[in-house]
Amino acid sequence: QLQLRESGPGLVKPSETLSLTCTVSGDSISSYYWSWIRQPPGRGLEWIGYIFHTGSTTYNPSLKSRLTISVDTSKSQFSLRLRSVTAADTAVYYCARHHSGWYEESFPYWGQGTLVTVSS
Amino acid sequence: DIVMTQSPLSLAVTPGEPASISCRSSQRLLHRNGYNYLDWYLQKPGQSPQLLIYLTSTRASGVPDRFSGSGSGTDFTLKISRVEAEDVGVYYCMQALDTPYTFGQGTKLEIK
Repeated sequence: QLQLRESGPGLVKPSETLSLTCTVSGDSISSYYWSWIRQPPGRGLEWIGYIFHTGSTTYNPSLKSRLTISVDTSKSQFSLRLRSVTAADTAVYYCARHHSGWYEESFPYWGQGTLVTVSS
Repeated sequence: DIVMTQSPLSLAVTPGEPASISCRSSQRLLHRNGYNYLDWYLQKPGQSPQLLIYLTSTRASGVPDRFSGSGSGTDFTLKISRVEAEDVGVYYCMQALDTPYTFGQGTKLEIK
């Protein structure tokens, strides 16, 4: 059974870089798209960006200038780096796997989420 | 970006009664393949979101048939035929036609 687990620091200082990793188990990281999605406390969901196992990426334009998503297929991991963070980046960050088949836009699999707080 | 607007933002339903949530998009979600790229998610308290419906009306694996989705173009609806206590949480619609994918504000379902 597919499992996704986010890991990384729970506290990041303003202006620094937020780094998270999603570890995939129970299925291959290949042949799928993988997304990051975040949710500020008490608020709604925001899609951050996705990566294909080949390394091809698509980012939310609102974050593109600060964002890098990468994949390490040998470790079955994909990662998020968000630079120059502010308090507005405080959120629960989820990793998710896209649907398989011809329709790849949904997210049937999600990690449990990890809270990242931006504060000095 | 495509803006998604849900209504109502909250509703309280008696168990066994139906519920309906509306989602409107700022642009048509009709793909050239004839499908409307609209999904529904449920986030139960303290949990990650879970996929309920994709492509407007297809139930995800394991989703009870009391959940149904309909609509086309810019207007979509999620219906629960008979609400159960386990259905409480926040429901989100999401457009998947164009990146950035965007979600509605969420509709909080409570049990009376």
